[in-house]
Amino acid sequence: GENVEQHPSTLSVQEGDSAVIKCTYSDSASNYFPWYKQELGKRPQLIIDIRSNVGEKKDQRIAVTLNKTAKHFSLHITETQPEDSAVYFCAASTPWDAGNMLTFGGGTRLMVKP
Amino acid sequence: NAGVTQTPKFRILKIGQSMTLQCTQDMNHNYMYWYRQDPGMGLKLIYYSVGAGITDKGEVPNGYNVSRSTTEDFPLRLELAAPSQTSVYFCASSAVNEKLFFGSGTQLSVL
Repeated sequence: GENVEQHPSTLSVQEGDSAVIKCTYSDSASNYFPWYKQELGKRPQLIIDIRSNVGEKKDQRIAVTLNKTAKHFSLHITETQPEDSAVYFCAASTPWDAGNMLTFGGGTRLMVKP
Repeated sequence: NAGVTQTPKFRILKIGQSMTLQCTQDMNHNYMYWYRQDPGMGLKLIYYSVGAGITDKGEVPNGYNVSRSTTEDFPLRLELAAPSQTSVYFCASSAVNEKLFFGSGTQLSVL
């Protein structure tokens, strides 16, 4: 099955700096790559996603890049703010009957220091 | 739209007890999922369903059972609770090849 590895496990940045979280996946058939943000005690919330026919996607301060050849994708957050502090999960989806069988990475705890 | 609703939010069980975690969605999604999240860890898939009457095992199904009698409901059953099942459980649903919507979670402790 699919295996997703995520690095780093913790990341501390100063407010205003950029943060980058990287994930690698093992199954070349995976074609959907969402990123979820989870605040303490809350449910995961989708913040951005990318499909395998696109190399990059941006939404305001958040961007995701995908390198299918190397089987890795990254989350970039620019101009970080204290409210960006949370745990971020990447995931990769392998097609099955057109559903989303997501395999999650282990998570990155991002801390933005004011 | 309420989205995905899970009950209860918190529960403490004794070893060997049984319980059912309820999950219902009002988005008419065919696909539903149960994940567990251990403290400080990622999410692991327990069971999933592609539609009413169809369920299958995920990565960590041992100790759990599910049923899907309607499109809206996807309950998760723990028959003989064990301390290893202490976790936060999330139900989720999705349309075909679209993003997952998560419920608010059930925090379960088995003592």
